[in-house]
Amino acid sequence: EAGVAQSPRYKIIEKRQSVAFWCNPISGHATLYWYQQILGQGPKLLIQFQNNGVVDDSQLPKDRFSAERLKGVDSTLKIQPAKLEDSAVYLCASTTSGRESDTQYFGPGTRLTVL
Amino acid sequence: RKEVEQDPGPFNVPEGATVAFNCTYSNSASQSFFWYRQDCRKEPKLLMSVYSSGNEDGRFTAQLNRASQYISLLIRDSKLSDSATYLCVVERGNTPLVFGKGTRLSVIA
Repeated sequence: EAGVAQSPRYKIIEKRQSVAFWCNPISGHATLYWYQQILGQGPKLLIQFQNNGVVDDSQLPKDRFSAERLKGVDSTLKIQPAKLEDSAVYLCASTTSGRESDTQYFGPGTRLTVL
Repeated sequence: RKEVEQDPGPFNVPEGATVAFNCTYSNSASQSFFWYRQDCRKEPKLLMSVYSSGNEDGRFTAQLNRASQYISLLIRDSKLSDSATYLCVVERGNTPLVFGKGTRLSVIA
């Protein structure tokens, strides 16, 4: 079974530039999550989708971050404009249904460096 | 007080040693608990769920103490391959999972 796919794996941009990340969850997984993991920290949830609807985006900095999952399958996360403090690994995860007992399967992440 | 707190370590232990990590959580309404393992520059992967009755999977034992609001992970007979960061994860029902900062373990030959 293919895992969660993410691209690009690495991205280096200058502050104030824009960047977009892509995630394709495990086939059939209804719930998709985007996390931000700053070096030395645990992952922090940015946004959770159930199919193509947003379940939780309370920790998403909406002035600069946006995400969509239009067809309920793959998803994109965008940062515009980027700040130095956005340097982090952006992890995508998926679960079958979003129940708390479901295992979250993470993708390899996109490592973003903002200069 | 942070919602989930872990000792960041590092814990440096020799092969074959037994090592234990604790994780405290602040919200008594927390319902589900997990340990995830994250290798250097890799994604987190579920190690085990933590049940009220405690659970064991080979060399790994997880326990929950609701009264004192902590969970623990015990690793027996440590292997070099156990070197990783162990993330404590807490869920409160209809809210996002909250990850601790992780505890780094290095098993030394």
